[in-house]
Formats: sequence, structure tokens, C-alpha cells
Amino acid sequence: QVQLQESGPGLVKPSQTLSLTCTVSGGSINSGNFYWSWIRQTAGKGLECVGRIYIDGSTNYNPSLESRITISIEPSKNQFSLRLTSVTAADTAVYYCARGLGYSNSWYPLWGQGTLVTVSS
Amino acid sequence: DIQMTQSPSTLSASVGDRVTITCRASQSISSWLAWYQQKPGKAPILLISKASNLESGVPSRFSGSGSGTHFTLTISSLQPDDFATYYCQQYNSFSPYSFGPGTKVEIK
Repeated sequence: QVQLQESGPGLVKPSQTLSLTCTVSGGSINSGNFYWSWIRQTAGKGLECVGRIYIDGSTNYNPSLESRITISIEPSKNQFSLRLTSVTAADTAVYYCARGLGYSNSWYPLWGQGTLVTVSS
Repeated sequence: DIQMTQSPSTLSASVGDRVTITCRASQSISSWLAWYQQKPGKAPILLISKASNLESGVPSRFSGSGSGTHFTLTISSLQPDDFATYYCQQYNSFSPYSFGPGTKVEIK
């Protein structure tokens, strides 16, 4: 069955850029009608939707993060990625990639295991 | 943004108890609500979508109800594996989608 796996640095310095990749295995990122999403979890704000991308490249971003984030998709590698610029300690979180159905109303049946990213000098 | 609240924040219960968790939305979300279970160090697991649709493989002791702004998750007979934190999530509109703060179900 389809599985998701996050990867990337566990430690990022303040003001630098956080970059994470989600690798899809057991199926093609091109197939089906899905949104490929990033969700993060902090002790302070709980679970927060960061953004999502459709296979055609269209994106939806959390307005509170929109000026700093880019989500991209690489079908040839069966991956999608998150870039978050100018990070601060408030961006310290467990970051999950997730797959949602490709409709305007979409929940999350499938999640990666999550990766902890700490922002600290 | 649509704000989600949950009550209680912590619930102490015993095996076999009937447990109900409430989730409220700051505006109507029709039935666009999901429930997840999360255990420490693990990703959330989808239990219910569209307020009351039980996900395949989820035990039938879990049920969901509600529409508009008021929703409930009920566990009819609490089992040892059910001690966890439960989250509701609205997906009415990506403004963005938002989660409740969680309800921790702990052993009494």
C-alpha cells in the first residue's frame, strides 16, 4: 500500500530555510485524485495545516505562512517538498506529509510518520 | 479562519466506560468534519470522516455525529488501546483547514 516518508535536516538555524521532502512509495504520485499536503504539530499551536499541492502544480497555502512557504512536486522522483524561509523558534515542530483526496473538501486518510525539525542556533 | 474547540481537554475514564468528546466550529461546516486518534510519537490516524463515516478497519465502538457547528465522537465501550489523544478537523474550506486542540483520554 502507499506509504509516505518525510526526510530533511532535524536542526535549522534561525533566519535560514527549512527544506523537507516527502517520498511516496507503493504507488505513483501521478495516479489518482489527491492533494499532497504538509501539516505540522507544535506543543503551543497543536496541529496546523501548512499547505498542499495538486498534481497539476496548483497550491493552497496557510495564509499565516504564505509569504514564507513554497510547496513543489517532482513526479519523476515520486516526491513533493516544502520550503519555509526565515524560520524562527516558532517554526520548531513535527512536520508531517499527508495525502488528502483531491476534492475541495478533503480530509487526511494517509500520513507519514513525521519528522521533528528544531530551529535553534 | 474557522476556529475549532473541543471539550473536555482531558478525560479520565475506565475500561468499559462510554466516552463522549465534543467538538464545536466557530461557523457552520456542514458535515465536513473528521476525527483522528493520536498516540505519543505517532502520526494521527483517521477514525471518521464526514462527521459520521467510519473509516475502514476502525472498530465499530467508535461513532461520530453532528452537523453545522456541533459534533461528537463517542466510544461506546472504552478499550485499553483507546487511551490516546483525539482531534477533530474541519475541512469545509481551505482557509486553511483547522484542527481542534485535542482531548486526551487517560486511565482513571
